[in-house]
Amino acid sequence: ETGVTQSPTHLIKTRGQQVTLRCSSQSGHNTVSWYQQALGQGPQFIFQYYREEENGRGNFPPRFSGLQFPNYSSELNVNALELDDSALYLCASSSLSGLASYNEQFFGPGTRLTVL
Amino acid sequence: DQQVKQNSPSLSVQEGRISILNCDYTNSMFDYFLWYKKYPAEGPTFLISISSIKDKNEDGRFTVFLNKSAKHLSLHIVPSQPGDSAVYFCAATGNNNDMRFGAGTRLTVKP
Repeated sequence: ETGVTQSPTHLIKTRGQQVTLRCSSQSGHNTVSWYQQALGQGPQFIFQYYREEENGRGNFPPRFSGLQFPNYSSELNVNALELDDSALYLCASSSLSGLASYNEQFFGPGTRLTVL
Repeated sequence: DQQVKQNSPSLSVQEGRISILNCDYTNSMFDYFLWYKKYPAEGPTFLISISSIKDKNEDGRFTVFLNKSAKHLSLHIVPSQPGDSAVYFCAATGNNNDMRFGAGTRLTVKP
């Protein structure tokens, strides 16, 4: 059973560009959540996808968007990058069956995005 | 808006002693609380959780206490081991799938 993987590990972009980050969920999981972790802070919830539909969203602007695919892998897209978007982006997969079960949320190692 | 706060950025304890990590929250709608542990270059890993209907949950060396009236929870690690050295995040959630994390406390357990 493979764990949660994310790609790429590191990424450097310039302001105004667009970026796509990828996440492969743990086998058997149908839910993926994305978080942004700025330096010295805890992860901040961006959104969650359950069975290919958005299932909750944090306080992030629309230029942060996502997709979940039939195999439950996921993408996070960020348009019009700003300097403050520089952070570690974490995805976490879990298996929801009615009631959220955050105990079973498994995190990937993250993608470090630097915006210059 | 920082709804979950960990006011101690770091904590250092001697091996074998108790480690107590604290967390405060402001949102009374939170009904489920979790602690995560994070090593460098790895994602956070779930450690222990507690529902708002309880005031204590124990799992081996780890115990979480919840004081709802004070909106405070704490994680006790007894006895502390050098392998426990990591960053510990407190998190809270309600019924909207939005999980809020604290800024983390770096625990160092000295041999």
